Amino acid sequence: SQTIHQWPATLVQPVGSPLSLECTVEGTSNPNLYWYRQAAGRGLQLLFYSVGIGQISSEVPQNLSASRPQDRQFILSSKKLLLSDSGFYLCALNSGVANTEAFFGQGTRLTVV
Amino acid sequence: AQTVTQSQPEMSVQEAETVTLSCTYDTSENNYYLFWYKQPPSRQMILVIRQEAYKQQNATENRFSVNFQKAAKSFSLKISDSQLGDTAMYFCAFIGVSSQGAQKLVFGQGTRLTINP
Repeated sequence: SQTIHQWPATLVQPVGSPLSLECTVEGTSNPNLYWYRQAAGRGLQLLFYSVGIGQISSEVPQNLSASRPQDRQFILSSKKLLLSDSGFYLCALNSGVANTEAFFGQGTRLTVV
Repeated sequence: AQTVTQSQPEMSVQEAETVTLSCTYDTSENNYYLFWYKQPPSRQMILVIRQEAYKQQNATENRFSVNFQKAAKSFSLKISDSQLGDTAMYFCAFIGVSSQGAQKLVFGQGTRLTINP
């Protein structure tokens, strides 16, 4: 079965510090991978998605970047965090077949102080 | 670009009542799929129901059903005989299919549904 691992669960970082959130998947090959940000009580904003190794599509101009160095690894990064980067970050995958269910990581609550 | 709009930020109904959550979307693609996901306080995302755009028949899953109006680009979720456990955030989602396969998965802003005893 497909599983997705995302860590850490919570993170407190000072303004101006770098960020690296990692997401790894198991049980599938060549999945579509996604990074979302969810503000408190709000919707899921798509930040980046990837349909293959090294292929990254950016949805919203951000202080963030994403990379996919391996088929089952998706990384969200920032060189210098801003206060506005605080939020709940979710990694997700689908198999690349459109009608299949998406699977989500447990999320990372990032607080920039 | 694909967009998904949920115009009801919050809704509340009494237990056992029926409630309908609205969703509209915008796309130029002909082949796509629509989903409703539920997010309880645990933040886990749970698939509620899915609909293939090429199917005219509305999807149903037990107490959950959709009203898919392709021409109007509308995809509402009806919950019958609502239960306390239905209390959650509900997200409408869209995924398009290009010649390269399934692409980005876009979510609406969510509707916070509260079922009152």
